Amino acid sequence: DAGVTQSPTHLIKTRGQHVTLRCSPISGHKSVSWYQQVLGQGPQFIFQYYEKEERGRGNFPDRFSARQFPNYSSELNVNALLLGDSALYLCASSISDRRDTQYFGPGTRLTVL
Amino acid sequence: EDQVTQSPEALRLQEGESSSLNCSYTVSGLRGLFWYRQDPGKGPEFLFTLYSAGEEKEKERLKATLTKKESFLHITAPKPEDSATYLCAVRKENTGNQFYFGTGTSLTVIP
Repeated sequence: DAGVTQSPTHLIKTRGQHVTLRCSPISGHKSVSWYQQVLGQGPQFIFQYYEKEERGRGNFPDRFSARQFPNYSSELNVNALLLGDSALYLCASSISDRRDTQYFGPGTRLTVL
Repeated sequence: EDQVTQSPEALRLQEGESSSLNCSYTVSGLRGLFWYRQDPGKGPEFLFTLYSAGEEKEKERLKATLTKKESFLHITAPKPEDSATYLCAVRKENTGNQFYFGTGTSLTVIP
């Protein structure tokens, strides 16, 4: 079975631009979560979606938004990019929104110049 | 304040030299503690889930244990391919499936 997939693998943007990152969960998984991982740190929670509804939001500015589609795939959007948004963006999927192990994708490396 | 602290930050072992990584937590209402392995530039790879104090899980050279305040990841006779960053994460009550991660322990196993 395919694991969590993310696209693109790498992305370079300039300050002020916006970016869209995509994630496809493991087949049968209905929940997707997004994390930001800055170099040398652990992943930090951004959003969780289950059945197309937002179920949790971390301490990130409104420039960050996400959505989940009927096929359970998800997009993370970041507007007005800042240098500090440079990070590895990780998507994780789980069967439901409670008490389930999260399985991570390979991540999207975003560099903001 | 809720915290997840991993120690040491970095660990160098000779091949075959067993050791333990620590994850201490101060969270209200623990609803699961998770260990992941992460290779450079890649996503975390799931290793173990622990739910209650006294629980233990094993996989090959790794063994995870849980108490009311901390978890240990024991590595027995490590090999160079065990070199990676090991991340600990917790899930708290009333936060859905949101994980809180520590900063990780970077393990290097020297041949």
